[in-house]
Amino acid sequence: NAGVTQTPKFQVLKTGQSMTLQCAQDMNHNSMYWYRQDPGMGLRLIYYSASEGTTDKGEVPNGYNVSRLNKREFSLRLESAAPSQTSVYFCASNRDDAEAFFGQGTRLTVV
Amino acid sequence: KQEVTQIPAALSVPEGENLVLNCSFTDSAIYNLQWFRQDPGKGLTSLLLIQSSQREQTSGRLNASLDKSSGRSTLYIAASQPGDSATYLCAVVTTDSWGKLQFGAGTQVVVTP
Repeated sequence: NAGVTQTPKFQVLKTGQSMTLQCAQDMNHNSMYWYRQDPGMGLRLIYYSASEGTTDKGEVPNGYNVSRLNKREFSLRLESAAPSQTSVYFCASNRDDAEAFFGQGTRLTVV
Repeated sequence: KQEVTQIPAALSVPEGENLVLNCSFTDSAIYNLQWFRQDPGKGLTSLLLIQSSQREQTSGRLNASLDKSSGRSTLYIAASQPGDSATYLCAVVTTDSWGKLQFGAGTQVVVTP
């Protein structure tokens, strides 16, 4: 089973460039999430989607946008990357409040 | 706001010793609590999920307990092995946060042969 798949796995951007992180799940989950993980800060929620067609802000949404393309896919976009967005990004999914499953992460460096 | 704390931040034990990892949370109105394992440079692997109505969950050598009234969960790993070396994270979902996980900072475990 593929579970939650994220692309790309690694990315280096220059300040001001844009990019989209892709996430897809094959577990028929309603809910999908984007987190970022930084040393000393733990994992923090950026955006989430409770169901297809809905999205909402999490703890640290500034500088990001999301799209819930369909039930399977949830993308995260950085419109103008900043060094402060250097982080590891994780996508997760679950069915309502059940067990959450995570992707392998995208390691993003903004120079 | 829910605060989740994991102490200690790091732990080193000899192979064969039992591991005891602690997680505390400030808001007892939780829906569930989940324990994860993270290997260096990897994603999070779910270990155990405890619903708020449960006192414990077991899977193989792993046992997790939950005491909502005191705001604590403990993950026990019996007879540790070098392959158990990883960072262990706990996360809670509170009843008003709908599925959104609030994470602790994790405990980094090293099991020495």
